[in-house]
Amino acid sequence: DTGVSQNPRHKITKRGQNVTFRCDPISEHNRLYWYRQTLGQGPEFLTYFQNEAQLEKSRLLSDRFSAERPKGSFSTLEIQRTEQGDSAMYLCASSPAASGKSYNEQFFGPGTRLTVL
Amino acid sequence: GNSVTQMEGPVTLSEEAFLTINCTYTATGYPSLFWYVQYPGEGLQLLLKATKADDKGSNKGFEATYRKETTSFHLEKGSVQVSDSAVYFCALRTNAGKSTFGDGTTLTVKP
Repeated sequence: DTGVSQNPRHKITKRGQNVTFRCDPISEHNRLYWYRQTLGQGPEFLTYFQNEAQLEKSRLLSDRFSAERPKGSFSTLEIQRTEQGDSAMYLCASSPAASGKSYNEQFFGPGTRLTVL
Repeated sequence: GNSVTQMEGPVTLSEEAFLTINCTYTATGYPSLFWYVQYPGEGLQLLLKATKADDKGSNKGFEATYRKETTSFHLEKGSVQVSDSAVYFCALRTNAGKSTFGDGTTLTVKP
């Protein structure tokens, strides 16, 4: 399977702990996106990378959140000092470079479900 | 900023019924429009897309037409099946960066 993969699929943690999620995009996709989805809502944008450069960050991404893509391939999303409000599904997506006005499809991973107790 | 408003669910239909899920948007610039589907326990999958006004996206019997004058992108299917039961998300992108999603509409099709 050469789709977007995310690990772990589920994470349960206690409030105040740090957690880190990993996303492996489709090979040669130079754009990588992180979204958060809470129950009953659509995905909300967090941040995205073009290669190793982080090009945009949402205001949702507080100081406790950090994302990296050091070699322009896989990415990690870390949440420090987790809070119960961080409980959500964290989605990763990747896409190839855009060309013209045809915005290439974003391919989504299965997500990591975080539960903060 | 950009926003997407979807018809609230849940929607429950009998098999072979006609489906419409309304979607309207607000955007700066000229967005591309998308419908994604999320089956139980699975990730988001692109269902169809349209990149400019009057374009019609279609896939698996689903259709949606990009209406710039009404800023809408309603999803339709002439005859739904039980296997179409899922959550449907309308989304837009105005550049090659982030997508903006609606809150999703849950469809249940009963035999």
